[in-house]
Amino acid sequence: AQTVTQSQPEMSVQEAETVTLSCTYDTSESNYYLFWYKQPPSRQMILVIRQEAYKQQNATENRFSVNFQKAAKSFSLKISDSQLGDTAMYFCAFMKHGGGADGLTFGKGTHLIIQP
Amino acid sequence: NAGVTQTPKFQVLKTGQSMTLQCAQDMNHNSMYWYRQDPGMGLRLIYYSASEGTTDKGEVPNGYNVSRLNKREFSLRLESAAPSQTSVYFCASSEARGAQPQHFGDGTRLSIL
Repeated sequence: AQTVTQSQPEMSVQEAETVTLSCTYDTSESNYYLFWYKQPPSRQMILVIRQEAYKQQNATENRFSVNFQKAAKSFSLKISDSQLGDTAMYFCAFMKHGGGADGLTFGKGTHLIIQP
Repeated sequence: NAGVTQTPKFQVLKTGQSMTLQCAQDMNHNSMYWYRQDPGMGLRLIYYSASEGTTDKGEVPNGYNVSRLNKREFSLRLESAAPSQTSVYFCASSEARGAQPQHFGDGTRLSIL
């Protein structure tokens, strides 16, 4: 079984600053996928970004980028030019290749607060 | 543009009552999932269905049953609700196993008194 650890229960930054959310995971799999999901107060689960473990290049989606360190089993999310609408819970998630009954394994989340 | 639709959005039950949570997706996805989210926790997988007619247990299946009625619909049943099942329940679907991201419904907040 795999585990996902998010060591920052809560973070707070000023609008327009850059913030990095940490995520580490433990697995014996060599082929897998990693995701960051955003959950605003509306409770929706919104995919922010994903990374295939076999790709060395870090994924980027507009203001969101990841720092994927496979050897260290680390997958951090960087949010540039943070906006008030980025305030939300952020969950790091793992899925092994082939998915199956394991589905997604989530971390406990980081509550990100963007201050005006 | 409905995506994944869950009903109901809120429900209060008494201990021992039964309840079925409904989920339907209109994206023609093969895989569907049920998760629960408890305070201070990430989502945990209850059951999974790779295709119509197949279901598999996830991390926390005890106290639940599921039915994959057809490709669109995947229901979660609590036969005898317990206070420990108070949670927010999410249904999700994905195109296939593996890299495809899961699309989530808006969740059902269930309280068991």
